[in-house]
Amino acid sequence: EDQVTQSPEALRLQEGESSSLNCSYTVSGLRGLFWYRQDPGKGPEFLFTLYSAGEEKEKERLKATLTKKESFLHITAPKPEDSATYLCAVQALDTGNQFYFGTGTSLTVIP
Amino acid sequence: NAGVTQTPKFQVLKTGQSMTLQCAQDMNHEYMSWYRQDPGMGLRLIHYSVGAGITDQGEVPNGYNVSRSTTEDFPLRLLSAAPSQTSVYFCASSITGVAYEQYFGPGTRLTVT
Repeated sequence: EDQVTQSPEALRLQEGESSSLNCSYTVSGLRGLFWYRQDPGKGPEFLFTLYSAGEEKEKERLKATLTKKESFLHITAPKPEDSATYLCAVQALDTGNQFYFGTGTSLTVIP
Repeated sequence: NAGVTQTPKFQVLKTGQSMTLQCAQDMNHEYMSWYRQDPGMGLRLIHYSVGAGITDQGEVPNGYNVSRSTTEDFPLRLLSAAPSQTSVYFCASSITGVAYEQYFGPGTRLTVT
């Protein structure tokens, strides 16, 4: 069965304190891995898509990387406005058009 | 572009009542989907559609019906509401269902008493 696991569940950082969020997946053939940001009371907002091991994508203070078993979302020198829940989702070759989401990491950045 | 819109934003139902959650997108996306989000469970796929006239079941389809008569609209029907269907429902759309990012609506918070 395809699975997506995110860790940690929650993370508190001081402003400027860099860290990484993890998304591990077990799928039989990855079609794509997606990172989203979700603010309280809102729908998820797309951040990155990664397709193959070794791929990296960057946007402002965020950098996503992908290996054959996991993806990391690196946050460099975070600011309070980076506080949100970060969701990871995968789509596998053997599950057609379905996407599977992890339970997310709730990030709080303290000024 | 309005993107993905959902109505209503909040709804309270009594057990056994039926209702339809509306979802529309103005991006001419072929793929549309419905998720429910529960604490500690993450987003779970209910139903999805790869184009007008084509729908399929996701991970948790029981108790829900969908149809896709136009590219723009993808309503979700609760046939006979149950307390277990209390959740936040999100509609999403994508250019295609294959390895493209999804764009989500603002959600509908549903409470079934």
